[in-house]
Amino acid sequence: QKEVEQDPGPLSVPEGAIVSLNCTYSNSAFQYFMWYRQYSRKGPELLMYTYSSGNKEDGRFTAQVDKSSKYISLFIRDSQPSDSATYLCAMKNSGNTPLVFGKGTRLSVIA
Amino acid sequence: GAGVSQSPSNKVTEKGKDVELRCDPISGHTALYWYRQSLGQGLEFLIYFQGNSAPDKSGLPSDRFSAERTGGSVSTLTIQRTQQEDSAVYLCASSPRPGEGNEKLFFGSGTQLSVL
Repeated sequence: QKEVEQDPGPLSVPEGAIVSLNCTYSNSAFQYFMWYRQYSRKGPELLMYTYSSGNKEDGRFTAQVDKSSKYISLFIRDSQPSDSATYLCAMKNSGNTPLVFGKGTRLSVIA
Repeated sequence: GAGVSQSPSNKVTEKGKDVELRCDPISGHTALYWYRQSLGQGLEFLIYFQGNSAPDKSGLPSDRFSAERTGGSVSTLTIQRTQQEDSAVYLCASSPRPGEGNEKLFFGSGTQLSVL
């Protein structure tokens, strides 16, 4: 079992839909949780960051962490065609350890 | 430069040849990371530099892979005797605050390596 599991999709939704992206993980030491967005032929860019459990909202994006279930989610409201990209979850322990990434979910928002 | 720069953007090589991939991090960023992204495999950590030293090389898949960083800036990832399974996108990232939980990685656009 990989440390971080993420459904690769692809996921296709109509414009305006609410999108839910999820990851599960096995390492209970993970404390820092991030979502990166990667457009085609580009490097990933940080979208959301959450520490420990709870919710964080930024515009149309909401990140949720449930440490008891080892489950994190990213919600996108009022999805736009410009949201079409691959979304990667990433997480790490405290201290000097590298980020561990999920495989990424490819999302297409159709106008 | 404004962001992390990687070169070449694409590299096609023959099996058994050596290749060098270059990364120019954001000026002033002390940490530098190499990741590999294969189809269906996600981002795989290769190596991490703090300054010119590499405290974590745990992700290098074999002794054919090596990396160095000079002047606390430019890094080169070298793959010797390339194999077809080395075909992937090699991503470099830099960070201004290594070791912190909310460390933000800034990625380059990657080098697409194809081994024929």
